[in-house]
Amino acid sequence: GNSVTQMEGPVTLSEEAFLTINCTYTATGYPSLFWYVQYPGEGLQLLLKATKADDKGSNKGFEATYRKETTSFHLEKGSVQVSDSAVYFCALSDPGANSKLTFGKGITLSVRP
Amino acid sequence: NAGVTQTPKFRVLKTGQSMTLLCAQDMNHEYMYWYRQDPGMGLRLIHYSVGEGTTAKGEVPDGYNVSRLKKQNFLLGLESAAPSQTSVYFCASSNQARGLGEDTQYFGPGTRLTVL
Repeated sequence: GNSVTQMEGPVTLSEEAFLTINCTYTATGYPSLFWYVQYPGEGLQLLLKATKADDKGSNKGFEATYRKETTSFHLEKGSVQVSDSAVYFCALSDPGANSKLTFGKGITLSVRP
Repeated sequence: NAGVTQTPKFRVLKTGQSMTLLCAQDMNHEYMYWYRQDPGMGLRLIHYSVGEGTTAKGEVPDGYNVSRLKKQNFLLGLESAAPSQTSVYFCASSNQARGLGEDTQYFGPGTRLTVL
């Protein structure tokens, strides 16, 4: 079956530091890949997505590239801000299974001033 | 355009009580989903629906029932609540046209349920 593995957390960074959050996946077929963000006390919001190999999703300074050869979708940001403190979820959507999402466990990012 | 809304936002139940969580979306989406979020577990799919009048089981369906009588609403029911159902519940919706890149799911703000 499908699965998503995220690096263990939590992660604490200083403002303006470089961020990488690793995500690898196992899937049959050709899934879409997503990063969702959850700010404290809120629901999940789509951060970025990629629908095919070598696509790069980007939003709010975050980027992730769909790497089929390494089955990865790592999230990066060059300079984090305090406002980026949140929980980040990597997920895949299986088009052969009614687009159901399979989530990673999530990782908490804290950015200190 | 409110997107996906959920009611209630918070609820405390005693073991054995029943309740219904309501999810509504105004985006004319075909697909709707119910998830639960537990610490260290990510989100797990409870039930989903691919259209009005249809429902299907997800990863953790036991103890829950759902109904989709209207396209815009998806109800999640707990007939006899148990402490193991203490969780945060999220509803989501999406369109079915995968070829157009429309498989993004849009989430509601969540319902925090505590079962004592």
